[in-house]
Amino acid sequence: AQKVTQAQTEISVVEKEDVTLDCVYETRDTTYYLFWYKQPPSGELVFLIRRNSFDEQNEISGRYSWNFQKSTSSFNFTITASQVVDSAVYFCALSESLVNNNDMRFGAGTRLTVKP
Amino acid sequence: NAGVTQTPKFRILKIGQSMTLQCTQDMNHNYMYWYRQDPGMGLKLIYYSVGAGITDKGEVPNGYNVSRSTTEDFPLRLELAAPSQTSVYFCASSYSGRRETVGETQYFGPGTRLLVL
Repeated sequence: AQKVTQAQTEISVVEKEDVTLDCVYETRDTTYYLFWYKQPPSGELVFLIRRNSFDEQNEISGRYSWNFQKSTSSFNFTITASQVVDSAVYFCALSESLVNNNDMRFGAGTRLTVKP
Repeated sequence: NAGVTQTPKFRILKIGQSMTLQCTQDMNHNYMYWYRQDPGMGLKLIYYSVGAGITDKGEVPNGYNVSRSTTEDFPLRLELAAPSQTSVYFCASSYSGRRETVGETQYFGPGTRLLVL
């Protein structure tokens, strides 16, 4: 069965520091999708990225970057030069389904606090 | 587009009461989902629907019911509220389940916070 582990429950950094959020997953399938979502204090979930298992290229989007390593079953998320607005709970998720996302499994989330 | 909307934002129920959480999406998505988020936990799937008239159970369906009479609406019903159902409920939708769009992105609503006392 699939499983997502976010070992860091809470992280606190000072503004402008870089921070990496860890995500380790378990799956028996060779085809799967990984996601990161942001949940700001307002509560809604905001989609950040989707990565399929065939594409191990790292991705950068502004201050955000993602490091996908199949060898270690990890999909870590780095925020460079963090800002107060980055304060949120971040969820990593995994879907094995080839049809839809009814099997999506979420990690417990990492609460990031960025202090001014 | 308004995206996925949910009502109410917050509700307090007494044990044994019933209520319906509303969810509407205006993106013409075929797939809709209901999740619950307990404190310190990730989201868990309650029910999902692959189109109007079709629903199926997720990981934690007990104590809930759903219906999907239209593409836009996917209400979640609690018949006999219990303290264990205190949670934040999220509705989500995605476009399709076609093979070439495997793992398609789900779009989430703002959530409904439910407290059962």
